[in-house]
Amino acid sequence: DAAVTQKPRYLIKMKGQEAEMKCIPEKGHTAVFWYQQKQSKELKFLIYFQNQQPLDQIDMVKERFSAVCPSSSLCSLGIRTCEAEDSALYLCSSSQWGRGSDYTFGSGTRLLVI
Amino acid sequence: GDQVEQSPSALSLHEGTGSALRCNFTTTMRAVQWFQQNSRGSLINLFYLASGTKENGRLKSTFNSKESYSTLHIRDAQLEDSGTYFCAAEQQGTGSKLSFGKGAKLTVSP
Repeated sequence: DAAVTQKPRYLIKMKGQEAEMKCIPEKGHTAVFWYQQKQSKELKFLIYFQNQQPLDQIDMVKERFSAVCPSSSLCSLGIRTCEAEDSALYLCSSSQWGRGSDYTFGSGTRLLVI
Repeated sequence: GDQVEQSPSALSLHEGTGSALRCNFTTTMRAVQWFQQNSRGSLINLFYLASGTKENGRLKSTFNSKESYSTLHIRDAQLEDSGTYFCAAEQQGTGSKLSFGKGAKLTVSP
């Protein structure tokens, strides 16, 4: 089992609905990352937290997503209004900041927007 | 633009044979990681390199930061090696954010 836990495993939403997925980073890791992967292609960086503070995010996240880490042991990624193009595998990873060797991924949340 | 160029995009091997995957970087990277993604979507961390070569069983990876490339060699391929392999690199000055290659789908057949 991955040391990073993601829930739910699968998520189905209608267009226009809100979606939320959660990530429990590996214990002791202070950096949390979210990536989006469509059709098993390359992972697209979405947002990065360090010590629960967002340090970097792409424009799409700023405009349509909501991402927070209310504690060191829980982060969430939300989509305010789901669109078909949001259908993807959302992967959360964590690391000790500055130490890429501790980069651990969760199993992902697979979102389908219909 | 794409900072990580991965090739080939697909590869077929017979059991017992080997090959190599390669990633070229268009900008200076401070470290590279290689992952295997299984059929369930889980990413398994294979290697992390800031430089040089690492070997683990039938896998070996090299990162040449000066010439901006990294390779992953697979020898004596087994059926369970099938999956998609990604390289990902940390750009200088961006913390630990990774830029991923497009992946290489490896199929190992009997």
